[in-house]
Amino acid sequence: EDKVVQSPLSLVVHEGDTVTLNCSYEVTNFRSLLWYKQEKKAPTFLFMLTSSGIEKKSGRLSSILDKKELFSILNITATQTGDSAIYLCAVGSGSYNTDKLIFGTGTRLQVFP
Amino acid sequence: DARVTQTPRHKVTEMGQEVTMRCQPILGHNTVFWYRQTMMQGLELLAYFRNRAPLDDSGMPKDRFSAEMPDATLATLKIQPSEPRDSAVYFCASGWTSGGLSYNEQFFGPGTRLTVL
Repeated sequence: EDKVVQSPLSLVVHEGDTVTLNCSYEVTNFRSLLWYKQEKKAPTFLFMLTSSGIEKKSGRLSSILDKKELFSILNITATQTGDSAIYLCAVGSGSYNTDKLIFGTGTRLQVFP
Repeated sequence: DARVTQTPRHKVTEMGQEVTMRCQPILGHNTVFWYRQTMMQGLELLAYFRNRAPLDDSGMPKDRFSAEMPDATLATLKIQPSEPRDSAVYFCASGWTSGGLSYNEQFFGPGTRLTVL
């Protein structure tokens, strides 16, 4: 059975700290891995990764994929209170022409001043 | 500013009543997904469509849930009869696939928060 596991489940840090969120997966026919940020509303897209070793960056956020070890990390440097959210990892899987995503349960990040 | 829209944003109903949720995907997108999110289960895929055709509804309780796409600009999710355990946030998401190649990026609507009493 395909699955996506995120760790830690919850994280509490102070502003300025650096955090690393983990996502491991076991899926057949891996195609892509996506990170989403969810505040008190809909998930918003952060990154999509398809190739190993290529870092994606957006401001203080960065992510990398390891297709050999079947995991990805999301790094947030110099955290701010606005980074408080649930971070969701999702994997696109299945045969060619399948559009579904399998989501992990998320990591809840709380950043305190 | 292209975005997925959903109505209603909030719905409170009594057990046994019919609930209909609507979604307008981003113009030009040809895949539509319905998800349910609860604290216990996280984000679960209920059903999805490509080019208006239903491709997978294995995550949906068939006896009470139904999903349709009457046209390219409207997707609906119905629950009849509703039960308290259906209380959750229901998200619609849309995406785009072409020539059989999809990298799976999906854009989410704001969700419908359903409470069944």
